[in-house]
Amino acid sequence: EVQLVESGGGLVKPGGSLKLSCAASGFAFSSYDMSWVRQTPEKRLEWVAYISSGGGSTYYPDTVKGRFTISRDNAKNTLYLQMSSLKSEDTAMYYCARHSGWLLPFDYWGQGTTLTVSS
Amino acid sequence: ETTVTQSPASLSMAIGEKVTIRCITSTDIDDDMNWYQQKPGEPPKLLISEGNTLRPGVPSRFSSSGYGTDFVFTIENMLSEDVADYYCLQSDNLPLTFGGGTKLEIK
Repeated sequence: EVQLVESGGGLVKPGGSLKLSCAASGFAFSSYDMSWVRQTPEKRLEWVAYISSGGGSTYYPDTVKGRFTISRDNAKNTLYLQMSSLKSEDTAMYYCARHSGWLLPFDYWGQGTTLTVSS
Repeated sequence: ETTVTQSPASLSMAIGEKVTIRCITSTDIDDDMNWYQQKPGEPPKLLISEGNTLRPGVPSRFSSSGYGTDFVFTIENMLSEDVADYYCLQSDNLPLTFGGGTKLEIK
């Protein structure tokens, strides 16, 4: 059974940093591209980072480029999202999600971890 | 960037009725449209993927159509268990972009 378990969310002040983790199991993690997707309190969904299976290619939307860094440790079956210069608009539930292939949709999602950016 | 406009934002339908949700994209995305269902407290679940392909295990009352910039998601004979939020996602190009969502309730 595919499982994705996020952790690391919390309350951070504006301008602060935080690192999220996603532990994967039940599939060959190193063979799949992965992403982070967030859902705002208004329930809007936004893709925020993409990493290729080997980790050599990463992509971000302009809203987080330069502030967020996605990475992975295939030996540990773990995906990461390092977030810095956080803003109130980054407040959201953060999901890790598996792609079924390059530029194919997210076929499995974790349960999410919540980030709140507030002073 | 491809903008995805989803309508309606909310929908109230009776059990057994046909549900229709539409997504329009700002660029031609061939048939690279996907549809998700999200129930309270759960992550989104992929129902239909590119090429209007029903995912394994998803009931056949769910379907979609469309190509280019105009896409439609349909639930034939709505059931009470279909109450949820529904989202479309274009996977033709980066950044991947979602529609704004449709909240489906029972009338």
